[in-house]
Amino acid sequence: KAGVTQTPRYLIKTRGQQVTLSCSPISGHRSVSWYQQTPGQGLQFLFEYFSETQRNKGNFPGRFSGRQFSNSRSEMNVSTLELGDSALYLCASSLGDRDQETQYFGPGTRLLVL
Amino acid sequence: AQSVTQLGSHVSVSEGALVLLRCNYSSSVPPYLFWYVQYPNQGLQLLLKYTTGATLVKGINGFEAEFKKSETSFHLTKPSAHMSDAAEYFCAVTRGGGYQKVTFGTGTKLQVIP
Repeated sequence: KAGVTQTPRYLIKTRGQQVTLSCSPISGHRSVSWYQQTPGQGLQFLFEYFSETQRNKGNFPGRFSGRQFSNSRSEMNVSTLELGDSALYLCASSLGDRDQETQYFGPGTRLLVL
Repeated sequence: AQSVTQLGSHVSVSEGALVLLRCNYSSSVPPYLFWYVQYPNQGLQLLLKYTTGATLVKGINGFEAEFKKSETSFHLTKPSAHMSDAAEYFCAVTRGGGYQKVTFGTGTKLQVIP
């Protein structure tokens, strides 16, 4: 099976712009989770989608949003970018039926906000 | 609520020496515990996980971890370090926070000295 893919891999934006990141899960996986990774804050949970519905949400402002399509592909959007949004954004997929399941991570999208 | 504490943000070992990476968790219910490894510019890869049953869990690349409820610990060990083990390691916990809402530790960077 193909792994989790994320596009684009690298992105440079300026403050105030918005950005959309994409994640394609492993075939058959219905859960997609998003994480932000920064040197200062580590890995922080953004949100999780399961069967097109947001099932869990972390403590991020409303500028961070996401959605999931019927084929389980997910997008994450950040509006009005701030310098502090510079990070590696990781998505992970799993079957999603039980919370002890393994999450499989993509390589990430590295976002730089100037 | 659940949390994870990884002691030591950086650990250095000599090639061939024992690797010990420490992880303590806090969870109001029996936890599910994970260790992930991240190589530079890559996503996270699962090393091993504990859900129920045997408390000594064996993972990939010769790593293992022991769940100790009385000590609320899940330390990662490997008898003999290899240069290829140099990476960042993350302990994670889930359960009680909702499906797939995983809480990660701050990570430990392992340096292997030849």
